[in-house]
Amino acid sequence: GENVEQHPSTLSVQEGDSAVIKCTYSDSASNYFPWYKQELGKGPQLIIDIRSNVGEKKDQRIAVTLNKTAKHFSLHITETQPEDSAVYFCAASRMRGGADGLTFGKGTHLIIQP
Amino acid sequence: EAGVVQSPRYKIIEKKQPVAFWCNPISGHNTLYWYLQNLGQGPELLIRYENEEAVDDSQLPKDRFSAERLKGVDSTLKIQPAELGDSAVYLCASSLTAVTEAFFGQGTRLTVV
Repeated sequence: GENVEQHPSTLSVQEGDSAVIKCTYSDSASNYFPWYKQELGKGPQLIIDIRSNVGEKKDQRIAVTLNKTAKHFSLHITETQPEDSAVYFCAASRMRGGADGLTFGKGTHLIIQP
Repeated sequence: EAGVVQSPRYKIIEKKQPVAFWCNPISGHNTLYWYLQNLGQGPELLIRYENEEAVDDSQLPKDRFSAERLKGVDSTLKIQPAELGDSAVYLCASSLTAVTEAFFGQGTRLTVV
């Protein structure tokens, strides 16, 4: 089955700086890669996703890049703000939208220092 | 529009007791998932429903876990009997179809003592 590795487990950045979280996956058949943000006491919320037919996708301050050859994808957050503090999870799935169920990484606790 | 609703939010039970969790997906969503999230880990899929049919329950520990989705809307997840290692957050998610994004509920935090 799929295995998703996520690094780092904790990331502390100064407000206004950029944050980068990296994930690798093992199943070459995976082609859907969402990122979820989970705040304390809440369920994961989708913030951005990318499919294997594109290499990069951007939505305001967040962007995701995908390298299918190397089987890794990354989340980039620019101009970080206090409300970006949360746990971020990457995930992978073979089917669009994660129809076959998502395999998640272990999460990155992002801390934005004022 | 209401999101995925789960209840209860918190549950504390003694080991060997039964427990049940309830999920009401977003209206019109045909696909429903139950995930297990251990502390400090990412969610892990337990079971996936397409309408009332369980199409993937390969990760569900069937000796003690069961689930149902009568009429293809609400779903319940049951554990009987509960063990100490079952302490975790149980998340429900739904999607409009099998190929659209999944929306998660807030989860039920189970503590087995």
